[in-house]
Amino acid sequence: KTQVEQSPQSLVVRQGENCVLQCNYSVTPDNHLRWFKQDTGKGLVSLTVLVHENDKTSNGRYSATLDKDAKHSTLHITATLLDDTATYICVVVDRGSALGRLHFGAGTQLIVIP
Amino acid sequence: EAAVTQSPRSKVAVTGGKVTLSCHQTNNHDYMYWYRQDTGHGLRLIHYSYVADSTEKGDIPDGYKASRPSQENFSLILELASLSQTAVYFCASKDSANTEVFFGKGTRLTVV
Repeated sequence: KTQVEQSPQSLVVRQGENCVLQCNYSVTPDNHLRWFKQDTGKGLVSLTVLVHENDKTSNGRYSATLDKDAKHSTLHITATLLDDTATYICVVVDRGSALGRLHFGAGTQLIVIP
Repeated sequence: EAAVTQSPRSKVAVTGGKVTLSCHQTNNHDYMYWYRQDTGHGLRLIHYSYVADSTEKGDIPDGYKASRPSQENFSLILELASLSQTAVYFCASKDSANTEVFFGKGTRLTVV
């Protein structure tokens, strides 16, 4: 059973537009939630980590929110650039596991066009 | 600078051959993981380790072995490579407090 669901599966925006990516999860008990960016053929680069209920983080043009009650997170990208074209992956850390098990979403493929 | 280094970055192997993927971390992390990524799917856990000389099975361990000879090194071994093991493999390291997670750049394995 998929425990981390991301939407949309893919998204096309024009350069300069804003976009919002969604992540819903059923991992219990949850711990941290992380957003990663994966360029085509590359590794995963951490964008932000959310820890507490109603956490909000900001990293340049990237900002994220976490609602632990709803088990929902959003990643906002403002004023998109062509270099933002990538897959964005939501990862939930399971604190119920002694290993801090990582649960991955399938990713949202973002394409930014001129 | 924190780092997870995978080698090789890409490899073509023949069916039935042995393949070893290597991972080295300089983060002083206890936990190391091997994942595979297939198009359209999230990363799936193959093997993991939380201490040297010990490995654990993940969700999809069949056809894979792992070795953790030291805290820094974690290898994934395919004794008899099969076509279905064509994928991109990622190694990751994590600290015990869950404050840091780093991924390698991936190894693209093609079995022919």
